[in-house]
Amino acid sequence: AQRVTQPEKLLSVFKGAPVELKCNYSYSGSPELFWYVQYSRQRLQLLLRHISRESIKGFTADLNKGETSFHLKKPFAQEEDSAMYYCALRPYSGGGADGLTFGKGTHLIIQP
Amino acid sequence: GAGVSQSPSNKVTEKGKDVELRCDPISGHTALYWYRQSLGQGLEFLIYFQGNSAPDKSGLPSDRFSAERTGGSVSTLTIQRTQQEDSAVYLCASSTPGTGYSYEQYFGPGTRLTVT
Repeated sequence: AQRVTQPEKLLSVFKGAPVELKCNYSYSGSPELFWYVQYSRQRLQLLLRHISRESIKGFTADLNKGETSFHLKKPFAQEEDSAMYYCALRPYSGGGADGLTFGKGTHLIIQP
Repeated sequence: GAGVSQSPSNKVTEKGKDVELRCDPISGHTALYWYRQSLGQGLEFLIYFQGNSAPDKSGLPSDRFSAERTGGSVSTLTIQRTQQEDSAVYLCASSTPGTGYSYEQYFGPGTRLTVT
């Protein structure tokens, strides 16, 4: 069975500082990795996925298969980045629609 | 357009009672998912529907939990004989699965269930 680990329950950084939210996974096959974000009083929403290799709101994440990691990074944190961040994995089965396995989340607080 | 909706938004029930939670997916989305978010447990996958069938029920925690989907649209998650450990936020999501990697799940606001 697959597993996603986010070692930090809480991460607090100052505005303008770099941010790195860690995510490690275990899965024997080819996974698809995602980062989801939940802002205060809002729905859980997709932030980015590894297959897109894009930057969203200044965040990037690179899939490192050797280290089985998918860390989320941003060079300069902004106060509006404060939120709950979840790393998630979907086993690639070719069908395109499987349940996600989530980490327990990291609460990111950006201090002014 | 309208997103995924869930009802009720909050539900308080007594231990031993049955509850039904409803999910209205985005129109045209063929895949529907239920997750549970418990304090300290993060998000757990419960069940997934493709159309009206449920190819993956692996996450249902016990036989007190069941779900159905009718007309390829609305889904109901039923919890029988509720226990205090069932208290959680129940999230629904929907997607239009493509082939391979084309895939995004859109989440509803959740139903907060409290069992007293």
